[in-house]
Amino acid sequence: KQEVTQIPAALSVPEGENLVLNCSFTDSAIYNLQWFRQDPGKGLTSLLLIQSSQREQTSGRLNASLDKSSGRSTLYIAASQPGDSATYLCAVSDNNAGNMLTFGGGTRLMVKP
Amino acid sequence: DGGITQSPKYLFRKEGQNVTLSCEQNLNHDAMYWYRQDPGQGLRLIYYSQIVNDFQKGDIAEGYSVSREKKESFPLTVTSAQKNPTAFYLCASSIGTGWQYFGPGTRLTVT
Repeated sequence: KQEVTQIPAALSVPEGENLVLNCSFTDSAIYNLQWFRQDPGKGLTSLLLIQSSQREQTSGRLNASLDKSSGRSTLYIAASQPGDSATYLCAVSDNNAGNMLTFGGGTRLMVKP
Repeated sequence: DGGITQSPKYLFRKEGQNVTLSCEQNLNHDAMYWYRQDPGQGLRLIYYSQIVNDFQKGDIAEGYSVSREKKESFPLTVTSAQKNPTAFYLCASSIGTGWQYFGPGTRLTVT
């Protein structure tokens, strides 16, 4: 059974710092990996999707990488801003499970002005 | 505007009552999903449907039921058999195995 872990569970940084959020998964037979953002009490906003054949995806200040063989993904946020404060979730879709997502527990990020 | 709507935003029920959460999408997506989120945790899959009139159980389906009579709609019923129903419920949809798009969620409180 796929298990997804995110480290750290919480992170507090000063504005302007570059930061890395980590996601690991136990079964490397994934179809894709998605990164989401969740603001308190809200639904999820899709940030990036990496197909299993890809190594990375970029959107603005966000860059997500995928190393399928080692079961790891990282989300890199450049020049962090207070508006980036939220919980970041990664989720993997397994090859044999349609598009069902298995989620990590999330990293709660606070960017201080 | 295209998107996913969930209603109501907040729902309060007495223990022992069944309650139905609404999820509607106008994105023309074939697949729809229901997830549950408990405080400080990630999401867990309850049910999913890849096509009208067909649905499959996810990891935590016990105490829940769904229907998919229309492509746009995927309502979730939380039955009295669900032992711990208080949670944040999120609906999502996708085209095949692509991006999943999420609704704003319904917070259910059962007392």
